[in-house]
Amino acid sequence: TQLLEQSPQFLSIQEGENLTVYCNSSSVFSSLQWYRQEPGEGPVLLVTVVTGGEVKKLKRLTFQFGDARKDSSLHITAAQPGDTGLYLCAGARTNDYKLSFGAGTTVTVRA
Amino acid sequence: GAGVSQSPSNKVTEKGKDVELRCDPISGHTALYWYRQSLGQGLEFLIYFQGNSAPDKSGLPSDRFSAERTGGSVSTLTIQRTQQEDSAVYLCASSLKVKRYNEQFFGPGTRLTVL
Repeated sequence: TQLLEQSPQFLSIQEGENLTVYCNSSSVFSSLQWYRQEPGEGPVLLVTVVTGGEVKKLKRLTFQFGDARKDSSLHITAAQPGDTGLYLCAGARTNDYKLSFGAGTTVTVRA
Repeated sequence: GAGVSQSPSNKVTEKGKDVELRCDPISGHTALYWYRQSLGQGLEFLIYFQGNSAPDKSGLPSDRFSAERTGGSVSTLTIQRTQQEDSAVYLCASSLKVKRYNEQFFGPGTRLTVL
Protein backbone atom coordinates (compact mmCIF):
# COMPACT_ATOMS: atom_id res chain seq x y z
CA THR A 1 0.00 0.00 0.00
CA GLN A 2 1.37 3.37 -1.09
CA LEU A 3 1.54 5.98 1.65
CA LEU A 4 1.15 8.64 -1.01
CA GLU A 5 -1.41 8.20 -3.77
CA GLN A 6 -0.83 10.06 -7.01
CA SER A 7 -3.42 10.76 -9.65
CA PRO A 8 -3.82 10.43 -12.48
CA GLN A 9 -1.39 7.62 -13.28
CA PHE A 10 -1.04 8.74 -16.90
CA LEU A 11 -1.70 12.10 -18.54
CA SER A 12 -1.36 12.91 -22.23
CA ILE A 13 -2.03 16.43 -23.41
CA GLN A 14 -1.38 18.75 -26.32
CA GLU A 15 1.31 21.42 -26.15
CA GLY A 16 -0.11 24.62 -24.69
CA GLU A 17 -2.70 22.95 -22.47
CA ASN A 18 -2.67 23.02 -18.68
CA LEU A 19 -2.45 20.03 -16.37
CA THR A 20 -2.66 19.21 -12.68
CA VAL A 21 -1.19 16.24 -10.83
CA TYR A 22 -2.40 15.33 -7.36
CA CYS A 23 -0.64 13.70 -4.43
CA ASN A 24 -2.79 12.59 -1.47
CA SER A 25 -2.26 10.84 1.82
CA SER A 26 -3.97 10.20 5.12
CA SER A 27 -0.65 10.92 6.86
CA VAL A 28 0.78 14.29 7.84
CA PHE A 29 4.18 15.19 6.40
CA SER A 30 6.69 17.75 7.62
CA SER A 31 7.65 18.41 4.02
CA LEU A 32 6.74 17.24 0.59
CA GLN A 33 8.92 17.16 -2.48
CA TRP A 34 8.24 16.89 -6.18
CA TYR A 35 10.68 15.19 -8.53
CA ARG A 36 10.73 14.73 -12.29
CA GLN A 37 12.35 11.68 -13.81
CA GLU A 38 13.21 11.23 -17.47
CA PRO A 39 13.87 7.82 -19.06
CA GLY A 40 17.24 6.37 -18.11
CA GLU A 41 17.89 8.98 -15.45
CA GLY A 42 17.36 9.39 -11.75
CA PRO A 43 14.68 11.67 -10.30
CA VAL A 44 15.58 15.37 -10.16
CA LEU A 45 14.25 17.51 -7.35
CA LEU A 46 11.91 20.29 -8.52
CA VAL A 47 10.71 21.80 -5.26
CA THR A 48 10.24 21.25 -1.54
CA VAL A 49 7.17 22.60 0.26
CA VAL A 50 7.19 22.72 4.03
CA THR A 51 4.38 24.95 5.29
CA GLY A 52 0.70 24.05 5.20
CA GLY A 53 -1.03 26.15 2.53
CA GLU A 54 2.26 27.06 0.91
CA VAL A 55 2.32 27.86 -2.79
CA LYS A 56 5.56 27.86 -4.75
CA LYS A 57 6.00 28.87 -8.36
CA LEU A 58 8.80 27.71 -10.61
CA LYS A 59 8.30 29.36 -14.01
CA ARG A 60 5.22 27.59 -15.44
CA LEU A 61 4.99 25.12 -12.56
CA THR A 62 2.93 25.86 -9.45
CA PHE A 63 3.16 23.64 -6.38
CA GLN A 64 0.75 23.72 -3.48
CA PHE A 65 0.92 22.05 -0.08
CA GLY A 66 -2.42 21.38 1.58
CA ASP A 67 -3.36 23.25 4.74
CA ALA A 68 -3.24 20.02 6.75
CA ARG A 69 0.05 18.95 5.12
CA LYS A 70 -1.48 15.70 3.85
CA ASP A 71 -1.74 16.52 0.18
CA SER A 72 -0.12 18.48 -2.61
CA SER A 73 -0.68 19.40 -6.21
CA LEU A 74 1.47 20.29 -9.17
CA HIS A 75 -0.02 22.51 -11.86
CA ILE A 76 1.72 23.13 -15.18
CA THR A 77 0.55 26.05 -17.31
CA ALA A 78 0.96 26.00 -21.09
CA ALA A 79 2.74 22.65 -21.09
CA GLN A 80 5.62 22.08 -23.46
CA PRO A 81 7.12 18.83 -24.83
CA GLY A 82 10.08 19.38 -22.50
CA ASP A 83 7.72 18.87 -19.55
CA THR A 84 7.30 15.24 -20.54
CA GLY A 85 8.42 12.84 -17.81
CA LEU A 86 7.49 10.90 -14.71
CA TYR A 87 6.47 13.20 -11.87
CA LEU A 88 6.95 11.81 -8.38
CA CYS A 89 5.85 13.24 -5.06
CA ALA A 90 7.71 12.24 -1.91
CA GLY A 91 6.89 13.00 1.71
CA ALA A 92 9.11 13.23 4.74
CA ARG A 93 7.72 12.86 8.23
CA THR A 94 9.17 14.59 11.25
CA ASN A 95 12.31 12.88 12.53
CA ASP A 96 12.13 10.26 9.79
CA TYR A 97 15.04 10.03 7.37
CA LYS A 98 13.04 8.05 4.83
CA LEU A 99 11.13 9.58 1.97
CA SER A 100 7.86 7.89 1.04
CA PHE A 101 7.27 8.08 -2.68
CA GLY A 102 4.09 8.01 -4.67
CA ALA A 103 3.88 5.69 -7.67
CA GLY A 104 4.25 8.62 -10.05
CA THR A 105 2.33 10.30 -12.86
CA THR A 106 3.59 9.83 -16.40
CA VAL A 107 3.05 13.07 -18.31
CA THR A 108 3.30 13.18 -22.09
CA VAL A 109 3.06 16.52 -23.85
CA ARG A 110 2.47 16.18 -27.59
CA ALA A 111 3.87 18.81 -29.96
CA GLY B 1 31.86 15.01 -10.97
CA ALA B 2 29.42 17.07 -9.01
CA GLY B 3 26.57 14.58 -8.91
CA VAL B 4 25.87 11.09 -7.66
CA SER B 5 27.35 8.45 -9.91
CA GLN B 6 26.45 4.79 -10.20
CA SER B 7 28.05 1.86 -11.93
CA PRO B 8 27.44 -0.12 -13.97
CA SER B 9 24.65 1.67 -15.80
CA ASN B 10 23.32 -1.65 -17.05
CA LYS B 11 23.86 -5.17 -15.77
CA VAL B 12 22.55 -8.35 -17.31
CA THR B 13 23.09 -11.50 -15.31
CA GLU B 14 21.89 -15.05 -15.12
CA LYS B 15 19.60 -16.31 -12.42
CA GLY B 16 21.60 -17.53 -9.42
CA LYS B 17 24.62 -15.30 -9.99
CA ASP B 18 25.75 -12.59 -7.55
CA VAL B 19 25.91 -8.92 -8.56
CA GLU B 20 27.48 -5.80 -7.05
CA LEU B 21 26.17 -2.32 -7.69
CA ARG B 22 28.23 0.73 -6.83
CA CYS B 23 27.29 4.23 -5.76
CA ASP B 24 29.53 7.29 -5.43
CA PRO B 25 27.65 10.01 -3.52
CA ILE B 26 28.15 13.74 -3.76
CA SER B 27 31.32 14.71 -1.93
CA GLY B 28 30.57 15.72 1.63
CA HIS B 29 27.14 14.10 1.76
CA THR B 30 26.96 11.97 4.87
CA ALA B 31 23.64 10.28 4.18
CA LEU B 32 23.22 7.70 1.42
CA TYR B 33 20.10 5.83 0.33
CA TRP B 34 19.34 2.89 -1.93
CA TYR B 35 15.98 2.52 -3.70
CA ARG B 36 14.53 0.07 -6.16
CA GLN B 37 12.23 1.10 -8.99
CA SER B 38 10.33 -1.52 -10.90
CA LEU B 39 8.77 -0.77 -14.28
CA GLY B 40 5.94 1.72 -13.91
CA GLN B 41 6.32 1.87 -10.15
CA GLY B 42 7.45 4.45 -7.65
CA LEU B 43 10.56 4.13 -5.57
CA GLU B 44 10.86 1.39 -2.97
CA PHE B 45 13.20 2.23 -0.09
CA LEU B 46 15.86 -0.42 0.55
CA ILE B 47 18.45 0.89 3.02
CA TYR B 48 19.90 4.07 4.44
CA PHE B 49 23.42 4.92 5.63
CA GLN B 50 24.45 7.68 7.98
CA GLY B 51 28.22 7.69 7.66
CA ASN B 52 29.24 4.04 7.47
CA SER B 53 26.44 2.67 9.59
CA ALA B 54 23.04 1.50 8.43
CA PRO B 55 20.48 2.25 11.16
CA ASP B 56 17.62 0.72 9.20
CA LYS B 57 17.86 -2.32 6.96
CA SER B 58 14.18 -3.14 7.11
CA GLY B 59 13.58 -2.26 3.46
CA LEU B 60 15.88 -4.98 2.13
CA PRO B 61 13.58 -7.54 0.41
CA SER B 62 15.43 -10.64 1.63
CA ASP B 63 18.68 -11.82 3.17
CA ARG B 64 20.09 -12.13 -0.35
CA PHE B 65 20.43 -8.35 -0.32
CA SER B 66 23.19 -6.59 1.58
CA ALA B 67 24.93 -3.24 1.43
CA GLU B 68 27.98 -1.62 2.86
CA ARG B 69 29.57 1.77 2.87
CA THR B 70 33.23 2.46 3.49
CA GLY B 71 35.04 5.66 4.35
CA GLY B 72 31.74 7.47 4.59
CA SER B 73 31.67 7.62 0.82
CA VAL B 74 31.28 4.80 -1.72
CA SER B 75 28.55 2.24 -1.16
CA THR B 76 28.04 -1.19 -2.65
CA LEU B 77 24.73 -3.02 -2.88
CA THR B 78 25.18 -6.77 -3.28
CA ILE B 79 22.50 -9.18 -4.42
CA GLN B 80 23.34 -12.85 -4.01
CA ARG B 81 21.76 -15.68 -5.97
CA THR B 82 19.80 -13.27 -8.14
CA GLN B 83 16.22 -14.07 -9.08
CA GLN B 84 14.17 -12.78 -11.99
CA GLU B 85 12.04 -10.70 -9.65
CA ASP B 86 15.19 -8.75 -8.72
CA SER B 87 15.11 -7.16 -12.18
CA ALA B 88 14.61 -3.43 -11.68
CA VAL B 89 16.42 -0.10 -11.69
CA TYR B 90 18.45 0.39 -8.52
CA LEU B 91 18.80 4.05 -7.58
CA CYS B 92 21.19 5.61 -5.13
CA ALA B 93 20.71 9.02 -3.54
CA SER B 94 22.67 11.14 -1.13
CA SER B 95 21.88 14.08 1.09
CA LEU B 96 24.07 16.52 2.96
CA LYS B 97 22.95 15.19 6.31
CA VAL B 98 19.85 14.10 8.05
CA LYS B 99 18.11 17.39 8.16
CA ARG B 100 14.56 18.49 8.51
CA TYR B 101 13.70 18.64 4.84
CA ASN B 102 15.81 15.65 3.82
CA GLU B 103 16.36 16.71 0.21
CA GLN B 104 17.95 13.86 -1.70
CA PHE B 105 19.98 13.93 -4.91
CA PHE B 106 19.77 10.87 -7.13
CA GLY B 107 22.16 9.07 -9.40
CA PRO B 108 21.14 7.79 -12.85
CA GLY B 109 20.57 4.26 -11.57
CA THR B 110 21.71 0.77 -12.51
CA ARG B 111 19.31 -1.23 -14.64
CA LEU B 112 19.55 -4.86 -13.56
CA THR B 113 18.16 -7.61 -15.76
CA VAL B 114 18.15 -11.16 -14.45
CA LEU B 115 17.63 -13.74 -17.18
